[in-house]
Amino acid sequence: NAGVTQTPKFRVLKTGQSMTLLCAQDMNHEYMYWYRQDPGMGLRLIHYSVGEGTTAKGEVPDGYNVSRLKKQNFLLGLESAAPSQTSVYFCASMPGTHHGYEQYFGPGTRLTVT
Amino acid sequence: GEDVEQSLFLSVREGDSSVINCTYTDSSSTYLYWYKQEPGAGLQLLTYIFSNMDMKQDQRLTVLLNKKDKHLSLRIADTQTGDSAIYFCAESMLDSNYQLIWGAGTKLIIKP
Repeated sequence: NAGVTQTPKFRVLKTGQSMTLLCAQDMNHEYMYWYRQDPGMGLRLIHYSVGEGTTAKGEVPDGYNVSRLKKQNFLLGLESAAPSQTSVYFCASMPGTHHGYEQYFGPGTRLTVT
Repeated sequence: GEDVEQSLFLSVREGDSSVINCTYTDSSSTYLYWYKQEPGAGLQLLTYIFSNMDMKQDQRLTVLLNKKDKHLSLRIADTQTGDSAIYFCAESMLDSNYQLIWGAGTKLIIKP
């Protein structure tokens, strides 16, 4: 199993540009999450999904959109990037209730918005 | 609202025990977790404790939970250079789709 993979690993955007980050998991997990990590602030939840076709807002959803069209993929979109979105983005997945509560993390995507 | 707090840094000598502390505010927590993040990598689960337990031991790791004081600690015995990392405390609640509330992380620095 590859576990949780994220593409790309690094990206530099200009203000106003758009992009999509892809998260894929091959563990048949129900739950998937997108976080951002900023220095001294821990992880903050952007959006999450409790199953294929579902999405929900987390703590800091503004400026981001997500889709979960297939169970194994969770996409994070930035429609119009801003310098405040410079961060490291982590995707995670979890089996779901009654099957384990550990979140498995991808390696992260480092995004810089200039 | 929910909040999880940790000290940002801890420095210990190689071979000593490290104790990383965490306080949380939500008494309805179900699981409390310790994750480890090495430089340039994602987070990896170290251990977790269910909220009705007060201690869990796993090789060099000991987790203590004081529900009355809402205090969680992670003790690493015989700290090695490979333990250098950022350690995150997190809590999850049954009624929030198991979203995790994260502390800011404690950077463990090992002195030779």
